[in-house]
Amino acid sequence: ETGVTQSPTHLIKTRGQQVTLRCSSQSGHNTVSWYQQALGQGPQFIFQYYREEENGRGNFPPRFSGLQFPNYSSELNVNALELDDSALYLCASSLTGVDYGYTFGSGTRLTVV
Amino acid sequence: GDSVTQMEGPVTLSEEAFLTINCTYTATGYPSLFWYVQYPGEGLQLLLKATKADDKGSNKGFEATYRKETTSFHLEKGSVQVSDSAVYFCALIRNSGNTPLVFGKGTRLSVIA
Repeated sequence: ETGVTQSPTHLIKTRGQQVTLRCSSQSGHNTVSWYQQALGQGPQFIFQYYREEENGRGNFPPRFSGLQFPNYSSELNVNALELDDSALYLCASSLTGVDYGYTFGSGTRLTVV
Repeated sequence: GDSVTQMEGPVTLSEEAFLTINCTYTATGYPSLFWYVQYPGEGLQLLLKATKADDKGSNKGFEATYRKETTSFHLEKGSVQVSDSAVYFCALIRNSGNTPLVFGKGTRLSVIA
């Protein structure tokens, strides 16, 4: 079975720009969650998608948005980038209702300059 | 809200030393508890989990016991190896509702030969 794949692995953007990060779920998983991991910190929950609908959101502003597609892959979009958005962005997929088996991708390292 | 507190790192040990990384939590009800490991340049991997009080999770020589009375889930290993060098995250998830993983800040472990 394939794991969770994220792209790109690294990205440098300028303050004020917009960015799209992508995630392919593990085969058979129908739920995708996104986390932001700042340097030296634990991952912070951004939002979660189940069957193409957002069904949970953490304490992040509306300029953080997402999509889930029929094949359960997902995108994270961030508008009006700020320096503090520099972080590792992790995607995790799971099968809702099954033993909380989250599979994490390797992440996208975003640097905002 | 729910939270996880881990001991501050970094922790530096010699090979074959005993490891303890402390983790305590605050949560409504009785959450499931997890330890994740993050190797350099990689995403998070589930190391072990426990879903109810007095459960012991174990994997690859690591163990942690869910202690409801002390709201703790300390990670232990009897004899660490250089290959165990990584960042370890304690996390919880509520067993009710559609809630995300809540992580501690992580503890960096360095094992020297």
